[in-house]
Amino acid sequence: DAGVIQSPRHEVTEMGQEVTLRCKPISGHDYLFWYRQTMMRGLELLIYFNNNVPIDDSGMPEDRFSAKMPNASFSTLKIQPSEPRDSAVYFCASAGSNQPQHFGDGTRLSIL
Amino acid sequence: GDSVTQMEGPVTLSEEAFLTINCTYTATGYPSLFWYVQYPGEGLQLLLKATKADDKGSNKGFEATYRKETTSFHLEKGSVQVSDSAVYFCALSDGQYFGNEKLTFGTGTRLTIIP
Repeated sequence: DAGVIQSPRHEVTEMGQEVTLRCKPISGHDYLFWYRQTMMRGLELLIYFNNNVPIDDSGMPEDRFSAKMPNASFSTLKIQPSEPRDSAVYFCASAGSNQPQHFGDGTRLSIL
Repeated sequence: GDSVTQMEGPVTLSEEAFLTINCTYTATGYPSLFWYVQYPGEGLQLLLKATKADDKGSNKGFEATYRKETTSFHLEKGSVQVSDSAVYFCALSDGQYFGNEKLTFGTGTRLTIIP
């Protein structure tokens, strides 16, 4: 079975540019989570969806961050404009009812 | 709010040594508890879980027991291998389910096993 698929695996871009991270959850899973991992702050939940609807976005750092889930098989996390302090590894995870979260391999983002 | 406190790393052990990674939690109600493992360059993988007091989760030789009286969920393994080198995260879910709700993670403990 295919796991959670994230793209790109690595992204290097200059400050001020728009960044879009993509996630394809496991088929049949109705929960989707976006996390950010840094050395300083560890693993932080940014936002999560249930049945494509955002349930809790309290972890989204500021208005520069936005996330969408237009359908059950695709989600995006967008940063506009990007800043060096956004550099981190971003993980997407999905889960089904009564199932634990399955994580993707992450996108390593570097903002120069 | 809910929180998880893990033992500070990094932890370095020789192969076949006994491993304990401490984890304590603060939560209202009756959380479910989890250990996740992250190998280099990969996402987190569920290692084991326990959903109620006195439950023992186990997988790949690792064990952890949900202790409500001490609010702890310590991870143990009797004989570690080089392949166990990874970062280990303790986590809790504020629901009664298996982590498909919001998870609160500890800071992670990096484990290195020396041959």
